[in-house]
Amino acid sequence: SAVISQKPSRDICQRGTSLTIQCQVDSQVTMMFWYRQQPGQSLTLIATANQGSEATYESGFVIDKFPISRPNLTFSTLTVSNMSPEDSSIYLCSAQDGDQPQHFGDGTRLSIL
Amino acid sequence: RKEVEQDPGPFNVPEGATVAFNCTYSNSASQSFFWYRQDCRKEPKLLMSVYSSGNEDGRFTAQLNRASQYISLLIRDSKLSDSATYLCSGGSNYKLTFGKGTLLTVNP
Repeated sequence: SAVISQKPSRDICQRGTSLTIQCQVDSQVTMMFWYRQQPGQSLTLIATANQGSEATYESGFVIDKFPISRPNLTFSTLTVSNMSPEDSSIYLCSAQDGDQPQHFGDGTRLSIL
Repeated sequence: RKEVEQDPGPFNVPEGATVAFNCTYSNSASQSFFWYRQDCRKEPKLLMSVYSSGNEDGRFTAQLNRASQYISLLIRDSKLSDSATYLCSGGSNYKLTFGKGTLLTVNP
């Protein structure tokens, strides 16, 4: 399966600031996704990152708050904008090629003060 | 009703025990099902896909019951290293919904 790397692995940020998380896959993949996992909760899909076009957001998530880029088939970024303590969470990217299962990056643990 | 619901757990079992997890899904159009394992403070890792005919991988057996809309995972002869949270997921190829996970602790 593809190797998926995320940066940063963790960060502590001030409220009102923004952070961009990078996700790099070591091979071209069809689909890339961004999830959030809050403490004690399961994974919630934020959006599907579409190569060369706007991401497809799930209910409750908007582009202004979580802008996403996917310039090519191996890379995507998620920005968490104007952060508040409620955004403290683990953010995970995943990649899927064709009809293969999704595999996850190692996650970004974000804390907002 | 949540799209994917799992046994609440937690499960505490002795080494060597057999343990089963069940997961129900509400979207009858779901086509793809998976079990993931998540260790503490780590990302989910794919454990196994779930096929209509059922499938086995060593000590792990996954089954799908479309009529009742549930999937199951059976772990035989459990090891200490099986301690983790097990997440079920279901959906289409391009959108998966995950259960909240069931914590398994295997005790010596």
